[in-house]
Amino acid sequence: QVQLQESGPGLVKPSETLSLTCTVSGDSISPYYWSWIRQPPGNGLEFIGYVYYNGITYYNPSLKSRVTISVDTSKNQFSLKLTSVTAADTALYHCARLKTGPTTGRAFDYWGQGTLVTVSS
Amino acid sequence: DIVMTQSPLSLPVTPGEPASISCRSSQSLLHSDGHNYVDWYLQKPGQSPQLLIYLGSNRASGVPDRFSGGGSGTVFTLTITRVEAEDVGVYSCMQALQAPFTFGPGTKVHIK
Repeated sequence: QVQLQESGPGLVKPSETLSLTCTVSGDSISPYYWSWIRQPPGNGLEFIGYVYYNGITYYNPSLKSRVTISVDTSKNQFSLKLTSVTAADTALYHCARLKTGPTTGRAFDYWGQGTLVTVSS
Repeated sequence: DIVMTQSPLSLPVTPGEPASISCRSSQSLLHSDGHNYVDWYLQKPGQSPQLLIYLGSNRASGVPDRFSGGGSGTVFTLTITRVEAEDVGVYSCMQALQAPFTFGPGTKVHIK
């Protein structure tokens, strides 16, 4: 059974950098796509971006200038960095596996429990 | 970006009765491969979202057969044939045709 677990600070000051790590267990990080998705309080889900196991990335244009997603295959982990945060970045941050294929399309089939990050001084 | 809308946003249900949720996209989600690239997720209270349906109508592993997805193009529906108490939560559709993938606002299903 694939399991994902987010870790990182729950409180970040405005203008600083949010850093989260997702540890994958139960399967190799190869050869999948791995994503970050966030959910502001009371709002819907927002796709942040993904990283392929070989390091190729895609970022949501709405966040592209501030986001970096990276992968560490030796640790079976991938990470999110979001710079210059504001209160609008306060959200529950989920990591998830993006399953792709001719018979599966594209779908997030495994999710972490999520970690709440609050941006406040 | 493709905009996803859902209706209703709140759905009171009675156990044993059917329920359905509508999802619309701002452009067609029909891929040249013949599949509709829309997924459905359920976020139960206190849990992370779980995949219910992919490619419009395919149930994910372990999903009960009372859940079904349908529709094509820009109009999609998630149907629960007989609601059970454990089905409460927020249901979201998501378009997976083109990045950035976008979600609907969610439909909160609760017991009457």
